[in-house]
Amino acid sequence: ETGVTQTPRHLVMGMTNKKSLKCEQHLGHNAMYWYKQSAKKPLELMFVYNFKEQTENNSVPSRFSPECPNSSHLFLHLHTLQPEDSALYLCASSQGRGVGGTDTQYFGPGTRLTVL
Amino acid sequence: RKEVEQDPGPFNVPEGATVAFNCTYSNSASQSFFWYRQDCRKEPKLLMSVYSSGNEDGRFTAQLNRASQYISLLIRDSKLSDSATYLCVVGSSSNTGKLIFGQGTTLQVKP
Repeated sequence: ETGVTQTPRHLVMGMTNKKSLKCEQHLGHNAMYWYKQSAKKPLELMFVYNFKEQTENNSVPSRFSPECPNSSHLFLHLHTLQPEDSALYLCASSQGRGVGGTDTQYFGPGTRLTVL
Repeated sequence: RKEVEQDPGPFNVPEGATVAFNCTYSNSASQSFFWYRQDCRKEPKLLMSVYSSGNEDGRFTAQLNRASQYISLLIRDSKLSDSATYLCVVGSSSNTGKLIFGQGTTLQVKP
């Protein structure tokens, strides 16, 4: 499936590096999401964008900076990360009717991030 | 209390068995409910939505009890390919499309 793509699939970075994760959806959706999945923990929502506007920031540290230039693309800019930020970062998209989570969310394959 | 709580398992069952997963949620104002499936090292994928009247999709049956804030998933005639982690997911009462995920229940179906 190529509905939601993410690059890179794997990333190793040092604590002083700056990198960006990219997500692209080909489904004509208007809402996009960033999630973090750590080992043995539930998926944690980080950010939500509806029609390019950020509608949710789930108390995410400022070392994570999202960018949504249009409805099809979503970025997560990373800088001065910590080893505990190592996780699988998943992007998702949905129609974005904005009715309390009733839209089905389609996930990308994720970027597995390791911070040394 | 966790917003969405599931028994992490693992559930180890033989092929052909019937297995049931349960989930509880804390926010009585939640509006939507889902089961997602996540295979090892893959992304979550929607398995089925859960409706108050209960719904069935082949071997899978989902039930919702709003009064008890309880969701269930029943898998009949388990297949090896059903081995995965099953995520209970609750839609937030807010208008942002926010989903709250449970930790997941791991199922291993053995021959």
